[in-house]
Amino acid sequence: SAVISQKPSRDICQRGTSLTIQCQVDSQVTMMFWYRQQPGQSLTLIATANQGSEATYESGFVIDKFPISRPNLTFSTLTVSNMSPEDSSIYLCSVGGDTSYEQYFGPGTRLTVT
Amino acid sequence: AQRVTQPEKLLSVFKGAPVELKCNYSYSGSPELFWYVQYSRQRLQLLLRHISRESIKGFTADLNKGETSFHLKKPFAQEEDSAMYYCALSGADTGGFKTIFGAGTRLFVKA
Repeated sequence: SAVISQKPSRDICQRGTSLTIQCQVDSQVTMMFWYRQQPGQSLTLIATANQGSEATYESGFVIDKFPISRPNLTFSTLTVSNMSPEDSSIYLCSVGGDTSYEQYFGPGTRLTVT
Repeated sequence: AQRVTQPEKLLSVFKGAPVELKCNYSYSGSPELFWYVQYSRQRLQLLLRHISRESIKGFTADLNKGETSFHLKKPFAQEEDSAMYYCALSGADTGGFKTIFGAGTRLFVKA
């Protein structure tokens, strides 16, 4: 399984600012995903990060709010823009198996917006 | 609609007792079902998948297509099993290898 790291592990930000979260994988992977896990809730998929093309966003999430980059097969970033307290959450990066559907997760980034 | 339902938010059992975490799903095609676990201060990790039909840490799960269920079972719970458990499904019909997660069940094993 892939080893996934995320930076930062946590941050406290002021409303109106933006934060970029990095996700690094130790091997090349095709599928990368970004999730949000709000306090006491399950995982919600934000978008699929596609290498070489725009990310595919789920309903309720838009590129202007959550721009994603995927410059190569081992790295992706998620930016949370113009933050509000409602964006306080854990943001998770995951990668999918190339031949199966299981996913492997990063440690998460805990974001608090004040 | 594709959906995963975990009816119990919290399940509390005594050490040595059997445990069953319920999961029901709704999916139009042939899904792949998974259980993921998140121990305290650890990342979310895959526990088991239905296609492997294996036992991991004493846990098993059988896919029942007639009842559209994938319940997670362990005959004798241990304190170290205390964690958050998520049932999840994926498949070609979810689109692009996406995974749909249930709301999760927190298992608390009491000494």
